[in-house]
Amino acid sequence: EVQLVESGGGLVQAGGSLRLSCEASGFTLSRNWMHWVRQAPGKGLVWVSRINIDGRTVNHADSVKGRFTISRDTARNTLYLQMNSLRVEDTALYFCVRDFGGPSDDWGQGTLVIVSS
Amino acid sequence: QSVLTQPPSASGTPGQRVTISCSGSSSNIENDYVYWYQQLPGTAPKLLVYKDNQRPSGVPDRFSGSKSGASASLAISGLRSEDEADYYCVGWDGSLSGYVFGTGTKVTVL
Repeated sequence: EVQLVESGGGLVQAGGSLRLSCEASGFTLSRNWMHWVRQAPGKGLVWVSRINIDGRTVNHADSVKGRFTISRDTARNTLYLQMNSLRVEDTALYFCVRDFGGPSDDWGQGTLVIVSS
Repeated sequence: QSVLTQPPSASGTPGQRVTISCSGSSSNIENDYVYWYQQLPGTAPKLLVYKDNQRPSGVPDRFSGSKSGASASLAISGLRSEDEADYYCVGWDGSLSGYVFGTGTKVTVL
């Protein structure tokens, strides 16, 4: 059974950092494109980042470029999102997604990040 | 800010057909695929349609996607109470080098 379990969220002050983790089970992370998508409380979905199969190509949304970095540890089968210089507007539920938009599309339940001023 | 525009709400009675539109541009869905997600309250989104009009395994054929130019649509036929949810279109935007979601449509079953 495919499972994605996010962790690492919490309360942080503006300007601070957090690292989110997404532990994958039931499949091999390095054989899939992996993504992060976020959703502010009561708001819509926003795509954040993706990493390709060989781990060499990453893309980030303009709103997080230069502040967030997506990466993975194939030995741990875990996806990460390093978030620096956090802003109040980064407050959201962060979802880890396998094969976004593909036939094997799977989502975790999300981890909540709250950035206070 | 979203670059794909959806109506904020849509509604219908059980058994009716409801259609949700998604308007984009040449930098996104006109020249690349559109995808549709359903998000039930308090849950993670679920993929309903991929590559414009393909349904993942397990998605009922009551849900269908179509596209013409820079506009796409999701149709829900035989509306059921369990279809009450938020629906989002999404596509890759070549100008932004990232995916862009639609503004979202809340479907209410009357």
